[in-house]
Amino acid sequence: AQSVTQPDIHITVSEGASLELRCNYSYGATPYLFWYVQSPGQGLQLLLKYFSGDTLVQGIKGFEAEFKRSQSSFNLRKPSVHWSDAAEYFCAVGAQGAQKLVFGQGTRLTINP
Amino acid sequence: NAGVTQTPKFQVLKTGQSMTLQCAQDMNHNSMYWYRQDPGMGLRLIYYSASEGTTDKGEVPNGYNVSRLNKREFSLRLESAAPSQTSVYFCASSSGWDQPQHFGDGTRLSIL
Repeated sequence: AQSVTQPDIHITVSEGASLELRCNYSYGATPYLFWYVQSPGQGLQLLLKYFSGDTLVQGIKGFEAEFKRSQSSFNLRKPSVHWSDAAEYFCAVGAQGAQKLVFGQGTRLTINP
Repeated sequence: NAGVTQTPKFQVLKTGQSMTLQCAQDMNHNSMYWYRQDPGMGLRLIYYSASEGTTDKGEVPNGYNVSRLNKREFSLRLESAAPSQTSVYFCASSSGWDQPQHFGDGTRLSIL
């Protein structure tokens, strides 16, 4: 069965600094990978997805993620964070035939002014 | 552009009471999902419906039942609420399991 680990429960960065959120997955075949963001009191919104092809994918709000099969990782990055990026971020993996996604535990991002 | 609509937004129940959480989507999606979100646990899948007429258990189905009423609606029922079911419940839909899921704003449920 597929699984997802987000090693960092909480990350604090300064506004304008770069950001990298880690995601490691466990799945034998090529996974379908997603990053979602959740603002306080709201549902989840899709940031980006990877199915196949170019391993560097661009998403909304200036985010990107890189699929590294050798490391079983799909880390989310942003060159310069804004105060509005403060939220909780979830990585998710889907598997062919599983009919569903498995979500990581989430990483809460705090932005210092 | 309603997307996924969940009702109610907040609810307080007593132990042993029953209730149904409603979810409707207007995107003509085939697949619908119910999750619960607890601190430090991420989102855990309760039940899902890959297509109209089918439902399957997820990771944490005990104490819940679901009904896929039609293509638009997917309800979650708690027959006898327990304090351990205090959580935030999210409904989501997608055009397929490998497609992005669209989420409602959640139902915050407290069971005393």
